[in-house]
Amino acid sequence: QKEVEQDPGPLSVPEGAIVSLNCTYSNSAFQYFMWYRQYSRKGPELLMYTYSSGNKEDGRFTAQVDKSSKYISLFIRDSQPSDSATYLCAMSANTGRRALTFGSGTRLQVQP
Amino acid sequence: EPEVTQTPSHQVTQMGQEVILRCVPISNHLYFYWYRQILGQKVEFLVSFYNNEISEKSEIFDDQFSVERPDGSNFTLKIRSTKLEDSAMYFCASSVSQGQQETQYFGPGTRLLVL
Repeated sequence: QKEVEQDPGPLSVPEGAIVSLNCTYSNSAFQYFMWYRQYSRKGPELLMYTYSSGNKEDGRFTAQVDKSSKYISLFIRDSQPSDSATYLCAMSANTGRRALTFGSGTRLQVQP
Repeated sequence: EPEVTQTPSHQVTQMGQEVILRCVPISNHLYFYWYRQILGQKVEFLVSFYNNEISEKSEIFDDQFSVERPDGSNFTLKIRSTKLEDSAMYFCASSVSQGQQETQYFGPGTRLLVL
């Protein structure tokens, strides 16, 4: 079983739609959860950061973590064509290790 | 807004040659990282560096790789004898730990092509 699983997509939605992106993981030691956005041939750009379980909202973005199910989500409201990118989930453990373990990324296309 | 910078943006080299990839982390950050992303694959951790020494490394980071902070601003990744399979995008990242916060900020990457 892969440590972090993420549907690669592509996911195509119309402008204005609500987008739901998800990752599952197997390592119960993961405590820190992040979402990065990556445009083609660019570096990952941090969008959201969450520690342990719960929700976090920032503008049009909401991150949810359900540690009991080992499942994290990113919701994008009122999606825009500029949101078209690959979205990477990443996580790390609270054991002194700082290495991030990434999902494979979901490619999102928002159609105008 | 401060950002991580990397040079060069592209590097083409012959198999067996040494390459040095350079990074300037965000100035008040304390932790530095290298990741790589082979085309079409996920981002993979290579090494982390703190207080002038390696704090963690992955199985990928073998004896062909080394890291250095030669001065107060640069952070480098050296690959001693490149192989074809080293072709990838290499990302530098840095972070400042604030209690439980651990947000890593990535640079734009260096695309390495080994021929």
